[in-house]
Amino acid sequence: DAKTTQPPSMDCAEGRAANLPCNHSTISGNEYVYWYRQIHSQGPQYIIHGLKNNETNEMASLIITEDRKSSTLILPHATLRDTAVYYCIVKIYNFNKFYFGSGTKLNVKP
Amino acid sequence: EAQVTQNPRYLITVTGKKLTVTCSQNMNHEYMSWYRQDPGLGLRQIYYSMNVEVTDKGDVPEGYKVSRKEKRNFPLILESPSPNQTSLYFCAIGGGNQPQHFGDGTRLSIL
Repeated sequence: DAKTTQPPSMDCAEGRAANLPCNHSTISGNEYVYWYRQIHSQGPQYIIHGLKNNETNEMASLIITEDRKSSTLILPHATLRDTAVYYCIVKIYNFNKFYFGSGTKLNVKP
Repeated sequence: EAQVTQNPRYLITVTGKKLTVTCSQNMNHEYMSWYRQDPGLGLRQIYYSMNVEVTDKGDVPEGYKVSRKEKRNFPLILESPSPNQTSLYFCAIGGGNQPQHFGDGTRLSIL
């Protein structure tokens, strides 16, 4: 039911952009893409979400392909504090069920 | 800023002893949820609530109860805890057309 596929882990050098991919090939027209991250065992933290247009906020950018079957979360200048597990979730906008998959463990290295 | 307060943060207890984990919010959100997180299984939704007196099952509701008598609070009740309910629990507010904000978690150990 997770509906998304992410690589289990990625490395990124500090100060460089981190590009985290997510495959959601069965996404429906009314499902949004959400990204969260979890640092150690803290509560997951909301990052960004979008439907089909690219989105940017103070934390990250979200690039969604034209066919909406995949997306990429971009952290423009990764820091050591960005080391976390990143979750990509697809969800109907006004629906309350969230399915968290296994996520991607991002390791930011000095 | 959204604030979700869970209590207790840590609890060690024994099988069969009823316990309640409280969750309160300061944002007047209609939506609230409970999750459990286990190694290798990720976060799984237990129950959610869309408003006062409106609750529904998530993916793993067995062995849990919830209530939503007022908008501010959404307690998770384990009537007869068992060792397989040892886990890290998170309460979240928001949902629907809003992002969720999570509490700091409650680590339960049931012996």
